[in-house]
Amino acid sequence: GAVVSQHPSWVICKSGTSVKIECRSLDFQATTMFWYRQFPKQSLMLMATSNEGSKATYEQGVEKDKFLINHASLTLSTLTVTSAHPEDSSFYICSVLTGQESGNQPQHFGDGTRLSIL
Amino acid sequence: GQNIDQPTEMTATEGAIVQINCTYQTSGFNGLFWYQQHAGEAPTFLSYNVLDGLEEKGRFSSFLSRSKGYSYLLLKELQMKDSASYLCAVKDSNYQLIWGAGTKLIIKP
Repeated sequence: GAVVSQHPSWVICKSGTSVKIECRSLDFQATTMFWYRQFPKQSLMLMATSNEGSKATYEQGVEKDKFLINHASLTLSTLTVTSAHPEDSSFYICSVLTGQESGNQPQHFGDGTRLSIL
Repeated sequence: GQNIDQPTEMTATEGAIVQINCTYQTSGFNGLFWYQQHAGEAPTFLSYNVLDGLEEKGRFSSFLSRSKGYSYLLLKELQMKDSASYLCAVKDSNYQLIWGAGTKLIIKP
């Protein structure tokens, strides 16, 4: 069964709108979640690592004030794209690590959110 | 810098065998993953290699040579549903996943 639930799967909104995406781990506690962005025909780009109870770690070039991450509980992390613009249109995917980072457990991905800003 | 190379696109025939190669140069190595990603969907885990050799899992097998910085994913008895992108990812010395750009596999009848 699904390990990760991501919602919504599809958003279309006007420029300037803020959009919140939720990522939930099912049946287990996830201290670490990852947020990725993927443009068409390109690879996954890690945006940030979300740690429960602490501030997210953002990758170089990712604006933390624009992409707000909240990991308030062991089962939920949210990504808010603030004042979204057409260039923010992309496929956003969260993933969860079910084991230690040093282990052999793979990341499990949510189904992704396709964001289209008009 | 860190780099993972995969062919951009490959074409194969239904019922045949295809090998997708991945070469990597990373700061340290803590395992290599292969994921399958259908268009418009999230990646799904296929295999993990940390020691040299071949790991077989049904129609899919994955091989690793750490000394050569090389891996391949072997798909046998290809089916139309295998049409997807295949992503190679390496865990570096900091246990960060470094992703390849993916190989788009097109299966023809």
